[in-house]
Amino acid sequence: QQKVQQSPESLSVPEGGMASLNCTSSDRNFQYFWWYRQHSGEGPKALMSIFSDGDKKEGRFTAHLNKASLHVSLHIRDSQPSDSALYFCAASEPSNNRIFFGDGTQLVVKP
Amino acid sequence: EAAVTQSPRNKVTVTGGNVTLSCRQTNSHNYMYWYRQDTGHGLRLIHYSYGAGNLQIGDVPDGYKATRTTQEDFFLLLELASPSQTSLYFCASSGTGGSSYEQYFGPGTRLTVL
Repeated sequence: QQKVQQSPESLSVPEGGMASLNCTSSDRNFQYFWWYRQHSGEGPKALMSIFSDGDKKEGRFTAHLNKASLHVSLHIRDSQPSDSALYFCAASEPSNNRIFFGDGTQLVVKP
Repeated sequence: EAAVTQSPRNKVTVTGGNVTLSCRQTNSHNYMYWYRQDTGHGLRLIHYSYGAGNLQIGDVPDGYKATRTTQEDFFLLLELASPSQTSLYFCASSGTGGSSYEQYFGPGTRLTVL
């Protein structure tokens, strides 16, 4: 069973709109959560990390973590065409030196 | 910013051929990883290492060998390549205590096995 599940698989939003991506994990040992972004033709790059319950805001990006439900979300306000990319949710546990990735959400921001 | 380089960027081989993918990081990171990326499967971990001479098995190791020769260099070896190994391969590195540290990815190698 995949340890990290993402939804939706794909998402299309208009320029200036709000994009909301969701992620749920099945392993209660997970303590660290990440969002990675991959533009076409490039390797993934870490976008945000969130380790504590609540919200973490970085510019137009806000991550939300609820450890009790093992749910993480990413919200992108005022979406721009340059935000179009594949977004991965990732999770890890303190005793393990690897990260488990979800299958990704393909975001398209239409001008 | 952390730098991870991979070579070659593209590779075409035939079924049964031998392939070596190379990865180098110049950031003194202890951990290095090899992933494959396929549509619908996201990033799947093949092998990883926490230092020269060390090798840890990932989730999809069958058909792959790996070797970490130095702190900087990590190689992925495909002996007797098969069409099912056609994929996009990424190398990544991270610092000590890997789970809470960001992974830095290389640009990828696209491998086609005919």
